[in-house]
Amino acid sequence: QQPVQSPQAVILREGEDAVINCSSSKALYSVHWYRQKHGEAPVFLMILLKGGEQKGHEKISASFNEKKQQSSLYLTASQLSYSGTYFCGTERAYVDSNYQLIWGAGTKLIIKP
Amino acid sequence: EAQVTQNPRYLITVTGKKLTVTCSQNMNHEYMSWYRQDPGLGLRQIYYSMNVEVTDKGDVPEGYKVSRKEKRNFPLILESPSPNQTSLYFCASSLWNRETQYFGPGTRLLVL
Repeated sequence: QQPVQSPQAVILREGEDAVINCSSSKALYSVHWYRQKHGEAPVFLMILLKGGEQKGHEKISASFNEKKQQSSLYLTASQLSYSGTYFCGTERAYVDSNYQLIWGAGTKLIIKP
Repeated sequence: EAQVTQNPRYLITVTGKKLTVTCSQNMNHEYMSWYRQDPGLGLRQIYYSMNVEVTDKGDVPEGYKVSRKEKRNFPLILESPSPNQTSLYFCASSLWNRETQYFGPGTRLLVL
């Protein structure tokens, strides 16, 4: 039931692009993306809702393909500050009064100068 | 300052000794949640609450209890801790729509 994130880890040079995928076996209502730096709490990036649009904030954007039950996070022209572990959290669709969040195992992103 | 606080931040205990980890938020959020984080497993939801007196099980509720008597507080109770509950625990809160969860600083628990 846990969504599958890929890749598990990626190493980039500053300025390169990255794509992180989150795939579920269940129909989804929403996908949440968070970033966690070492020794810190996760921090919200964005949320995508069923029937919603692709979202973006500066050089980080995300898409949600409801039919394929998957979401992708796009980081363009990566900066050193993008380093950390990225998690996707999912809420299932078509389940009444269920507000449970199921999280992927995370994707570790290392940006080198 | 808007924040989620957890206490204690670090705790070492022994098997079977009841403990409570407190969580408090000052943002008037409806939704509160407890997670545990273990290497390679990511975040796993233990319990969540949609409002006062409304709680529900998450993915891994066994061995844990929660209560929501006040909107701002959501304590996590381990009635009889066991070594497999050694973990990093996070409390989080958000508005009712679950968008933008704010996480507390975490509580690192070691059960001997």
